[in-house]
Amino acid sequence: DTEVTQTPKHLVMGMTNKKSLKCEQHMGHRAMYWYKQKAKKPPELMFVYSYEKLSINESVPSRFSPECPNSSLLNLHLHALQPEDSALYLCASSQGTGTGASYEQYFGPGTRLTVT
Amino acid sequence: LAKTTQPISMDSYEGQEVNITCSHNNIATNDYITWYQQFPSQGPRFIIQGYKTKVTNEVASLFIPADRKSSTLSLPRVSLSDTAVYYCLVGDDTDKLIFGTGTRLQVFP
Repeated sequence: DTEVTQTPKHLVMGMTNKKSLKCEQHMGHRAMYWYKQKAKKPPELMFVYSYEKLSINESVPSRFSPECPNSSLLNLHLHALQPEDSALYLCASSQGTGTGASYEQYFGPGTRLTVT
Repeated sequence: LAKTTQPISMDSYEGQEVNITCSHNNIATNDYITWYQQFPSQGPRFIIQGYKTKVTNEVASLFIPADRKSSTLSLPRVSLSDTAVYYCLVGDDTDKLIFGTGTRLQVFP
């Protein structure tokens, strides 16, 4: 199974809502990632978890709160978002846990988030 | 912040070879160069990865010069289904993981 799944596929939320994005992989990968991708732009790294511990936070606002309950699951909790946070949120996993691009990342299909 | 740059777009016809370059002047000494393909509303998909010289797999080749400040993805005989956005990914010398600006490839019949 080389699949990364993400739910929901689409999400519309108001600026006062609290919601969560979920990501799951069963490849035994030890690193998991959250990316944000705006239209016609490359993905931007937000967070990296290595062995279930947060290893990289790319200065992401606190209204985004990641969580890694176990080695297969990754959540992104959303609270008090702004319209400019509307984007495709991608989850990825990789076998290796080092920094850099040395490990092949497997991406999920993403959650299309719209903040109204 | 170091930028990893690519041509914005390229056009090709079916059956032709396509070469897409990526400039990464600040690549970390020990890091690899990885290329991904992305279709609309999907996550990126791994194509090929290399550290130096040339790497070839069943779908592409990757050419990396000795100074490693650039790389070229070569798609040997493109088809309509290769129409997509192609990204390089490197870690820079500040340990940041950076996707290139992306190249939108359009293949015509």
